[in-house]
Amino acid sequence: SQELEQSPQSLIVQEGKNLTINCTSSKTLYGLYWYKQKYGEGLIFLMMLQKGGEEKSHEKITAKLDEKKQQSSLHITASQPSHAGIYLCGAVMKTSYDKVIFGPGTSLSVIP
Amino acid sequence: KAGVTQTPRYLIKTRGQQVTLSCSPISGHRSVSWYQQTPGQGLQFLFEYFSETQRNKGNFPGRFSGRQFSNSRSEMNVSTLELGDSALYLCASSPGTTSEETQYFGPGTRLLVL
Repeated sequence: SQELEQSPQSLIVQEGKNLTINCTSSKTLYGLYWYKQKYGEGLIFLMMLQKGGEEKSHEKITAKLDEKKQQSSLHITASQPSHAGIYLCGAVMKTSYDKVIFGPGTSLSVIP
Repeated sequence: KAGVTQTPRYLIKTRGQQVTLSCSPISGHRSVSWYQQTPGQGLQFLFEYFSETQRNKGNFPGRFSGRQFSNSRSEMNVSTLELGDSALYLCASSPGTTSEETQYFGPGTRLLVL
């Protein structure tokens, strides 16, 4: 199983609707990142969370990291077609070395 | 600042050949990480280079190798290509001072192995 799980796997929403994407880890997170990817392209950095309970916002996107630092949520308010893409969460896992892993991604489609 | 650049953007090779991909990080960044992205496995970490030394390595066979030059530019090499190596290869750069810092990704190189 994946060390980072994302839900839902895919999402189709009407323009203007709110939505939430979750990222859950089986281990303690040391830094949680959210990226957006258009199909076949590179990742665009959205935001990084480090402290339990931390919340950050950028335009209509808000991300939170829960206090136990094992789950994060990404919330989009009043979605627009420009929000469509694949949202990936990424994290640094502390093992014998710093291991960088990513979730499987959540595909978001926004219908005008 | 210019972003992360990767060359070539697209590549078609046949099984058994080898390939070299290039990544130029953001100016001032000393860490370059490489990732493989496939529909089945998602985004997987290959390795990270910092100051010309491999600092971290993912779980990939020895056919995958890399290096970093004194100007922080990095190359990734895959020898004896297999069909399963078809993927989008992404590189990311960061300052390299902490493990929790933000990584900035390039547009990727799409490799097709026939």
